[in-house]
Amino acid sequence: DVKVTQSSRYLVKRTGEKVFLECVQDMDHENMFWYRQDPGLGLRLIYFSYDVKMKEKGDIPEGYSVSREKKERFSLILESASTNQTSMYLCASSFVGSSYNSPLHFGNGTRLTVT
Amino acid sequence: QKEVEQNSGPLSVPEGAIASLNCTYSDRGSQSFFWYRQYSGKSPELIMFIYSNGDKEDGRFTAQLNKASQYVSLLIRDSQPSDSATYLCAVKYGGSQGNLIFGKGTKLSVKP
Repeated sequence: DVKVTQSSRYLVKRTGEKVFLECVQDMDHENMFWYRQDPGLGLRLIYFSYDVKMKEKGDIPEGYSVSREKKERFSLILESASTNQTSMYLCASSFVGSSYNSPLHFGNGTRLTVT
Repeated sequence: QKEVEQNSGPLSVPEGAIASLNCTYSDRGSQSFFWYRQYSGKSPELIMFIYSNGDKEDGRFTAQLNKASQYVSLLIRDSQPSDSATYLCAVKYGGSQGNLIFGKGTKLSVKP
């Protein structure tokens, strides 16, 4: 089974802090993703990476950055946390393979509260 | 703007009935379609995917795809209270590097 592990289940940070969310996958997947999920807004893509040191902006990259130094690890960085970044953050991974059958596998999520 | 639309619900069905969840998408170049189930406070888990027109069955679940109508649905037969969750439709469009576009989900409630 694919295992995607997010380092923290719950996190509380103060406004202005630099926040690191870590994600590790154990299936040698090329693609990794960061989404945030908010009530009424659904899942929104922040950033994704299709290879080591490669990154692409998603729909809502403002206020975030990412790092992918190793294939199995994809980090999301909030440079200066703000209260509107309070959300559930979901990491996912997938293999490149056929374009038809490569679903995303999600981690358990990190619920971040910024006060 | 590529969009995936779902009725937010809640959809309420009695135990043992068939639950029908629907999804429409805007991009005709979309290639494959995924259904995820998400329990409250948990992360989405894959139920099944489909990429050819017609039906695909997996146990109590059947996915149906009609590319001409840009419509995909999920049928759950013999619904159980444990099926109560939010169901997310996700679409991989042509040219995508692997990311999916998600609908906002339909909340299903199965009453005993």
